[in-house]
Amino acid sequence: AQSVSQHNHHVILSEAASLELGCNYSYGGTVNLFWYVQYPGQHLQLLLKYFSGDPLVKGIKGFEAEFIKSKFSFNLRKPSVQWSDTAEYFCAVNAHNDMRFGAGTRLTVKP
Amino acid sequence: DADVTQTPRNRITKTGKRIMLECSQTKGHDRMYWYRQDPGLGLRLIYYSFDVKDINKGEISDGYSVSRQAQAKFSLSLESAIPNQTALYFCATSTTGSGNQPQHFGDGTRLSIL
Repeated sequence: AQSVSQHNHHVILSEAASLELGCNYSYGGTVNLFWYVQYPGQHLQLLLKYFSGDPLVKGIKGFEAEFIKSKFSFNLRKPSVQWSDTAEYFCAVNAHNDMRFGAGTRLTVKP
Repeated sequence: DADVTQTPRNRITKTGKRIMLECSQTKGHDRMYWYRQDPGLGLRLIYYSFDVKDINKGEISDGYSVSRQAQAKFSLSLESAIPNQTALYFCATSTTGSGNQPQHFGDGTRLSIL
């Protein structure tokens, strides 16, 4: 079965710092890729998704992610984080209707 | 999404009890899912259903059962709860597709088993 790895468990940044969260997956075939965000006490919400076309995808709230097929990666980026970005971020990979989530990265942004 | 409603939101119960968590949706989606979330493990799929007559086991189905009563309703049961089933449970829905459709999550049920 495929697996999804998120490299950082907890990231702490100051406001205006740049963010990059890593995500790697193990499946070698065609995949659909997602990033979800979970704000404290809330459900998961979709940030962005990739399934074909331009490997650089833009999502809500200024987030973007780049699919690098050769590296099996789908890293999430944001040029300048805000305090309101404090949340947990989950990478998810769907291959043949088998959806797997990473363990999540908790982001804390200090004002 | 308010369109995916889970009940109850919180539940505390004792080992050995039977528990049912309910999920209903107004999004008109065919596909429904149950996940559990544990710290450091992310979300793991328990069961999923692609339509009313289709039920499939996920990654961690042991100790759980489900019922798809209608397109809009998908319930999860713990026949005899045990403490290591203490977790946050999420229901999700999606449209039919080849896996490129995002899932829409409910607000979760926090379940504690003593």
